[in-house]
Amino acid sequence: EVQLVESGGDLVQPGGSLRLSCSASGFTFSSHWMTWARQAPGKGLEWVANIRQDGGASSYLASVKGRFTISRDNAQSSLYLHMDSLRAGDTAVYYCVKTTYSSTWDTYYYDYWGQGTLVTVSS
Amino acid sequence: DIQMTQSPSSLSASVGDRVTITCRASQTIGSHLNWYLQKPGKAPELLIYGASNLQSGVPSRFSGSGSGTDFTLTISSLQPEDVAAYYCQQSYITPVIFGQGTKLEIK
Repeated sequence: EVQLVESGGDLVQPGGSLRLSCSASGFTFSSHWMTWARQAPGKGLEWVANIRQDGGASSYLASVKGRFTISRDNAQSSLYLHMDSLRAGDTAVYYCVKTTYSSTWDTYYYDYWGQGTLVTVSS
Repeated sequence: DIQMTQSPSSLSASVGDRVTITCRASQTIGSHLNWYLQKPGKAPELLIYGASNLQSGVPSRFSGSGSGTDFTLTISSLQPEDVAAYYCQQSYITPVIFGQGTKLEIK
């Protein structure tokens, strides 16, 4: 059974830093791209960042680029999101998401989501 | 960035009704379109990938269609457990963009 368990969410002041972690199990972690997505209170879903299987490539939402860093430890089956210079607009539930590529359909999709961890940025 | 526009933003229907939600991309994305549902207080779940492929374990009353810029999610016979927010998502290029969501309620 695939499990994704996020941790690290907290109340932090504007300008502060936080590191989110995601522990993965039930699949071959090192074979999959992984993604962080977020959802502000009462709002829709927003993609934040993704990272290639070997950690050698990543992409970011424009509003977090230069402030957030996605990383992974394949030996520990863990995904991370280091967040600096946090703003009120970063307040959200952050989800760790397993990304799957279908070679048949040549497309990516998000087939498993963690339960999320809440980050609140407020003074 | 590609923009994804869903309609309607909210919908109320009766049990047994056929329900349709549409999603339009601001530029062609082929079949790189996925659908998710999110029940209140829960994480999103994958329903459809590649525009029309039903994810394993998803009831067959859900179906997807479309390609290019216009896509549709259909629930053939609405059930009470289908109350949720529904999101489309393009996976053609980064940044990955989700539609703004459609909130589905039972009448």
